[in-house]
Amino acid sequence: NAGVTQTPKFQVLKTGQSMTLQCAQDMNHEYMSWYRQDPGMGLRLIHYSVGAGITDQGEVPNGYNVSRSTTEDFPLRLLSAAPSQTSVYFCASRAGQNYEQYFGPGTRLTVT
Amino acid sequence: AQSVTQPDIHITVSEGASLELRCNYSYGATPYLFWYVQSPGQGLQLLLKYFSGDTLVQGIKGFEAEFKRSQSSFNLRKPSVHWSDAAEYFCAVGPPLPSGTYKYIFGTGTRLKVLA
Repeated sequence: NAGVTQTPKFQVLKTGQSMTLQCAQDMNHEYMSWYRQDPGMGLRLIHYSVGAGITDQGEVPNGYNVSRSTTEDFPLRLLSAAPSQTSVYFCASRAGQNYEQYFGPGTRLTVT
Repeated sequence: AQSVTQPDIHITVSEGASLELRCNYSYGATPYLFWYVQSPGQGLQLLLKYFSGDTLVQGIKGFEAEFKRSQSSFNLRKPSVHWSDAAEYFCAVGPPLPSGTYKYIFGTGTRLKVLA
């Protein structure tokens, strides 16, 4: 199993541009999440999904959209990038509510 | 409000010395508890977890953690630190069953430096 994969690893955007961060998992996990990691702030939940077709907002959802059309994929869309969205983004999945999360390697995003 | 506190932002220890990283939580019920490690430029790897039962849990890489309900703590320990343990460590809590919420809460992390 590849586990949780994320693409791209690095990305530089200009303010106002849009892009999609890709996340895929091959473990047939129902639950998937997106986090952002900023220095001194730990990981903050952006959006999450408890199954295909079901998504909900986390702690910091503004400026981001998600959809979950398949169990495997959970893309994160930045609608109009802002410098405040410069961060490292992690995708995670888990089999169910009371299971541990598995993390992808992250995407480092810089918005200029 | 639910929260996780890791009071030490940075810790420096000598190789071979013992280590304890602190984690305190505030939660409406006893949550599920986790410790993750993040090496530079990498994702997070699970070290250990506590769901119920024995309050001293063993993890990978020689780490252990003890759940103390009375102190709302879940401190991570290692008897002898290796240089390869230098990384950032995150404590996290998750909702116990039954629960209407799904969300994990992470602490802000403790960065460990190991001196040769």
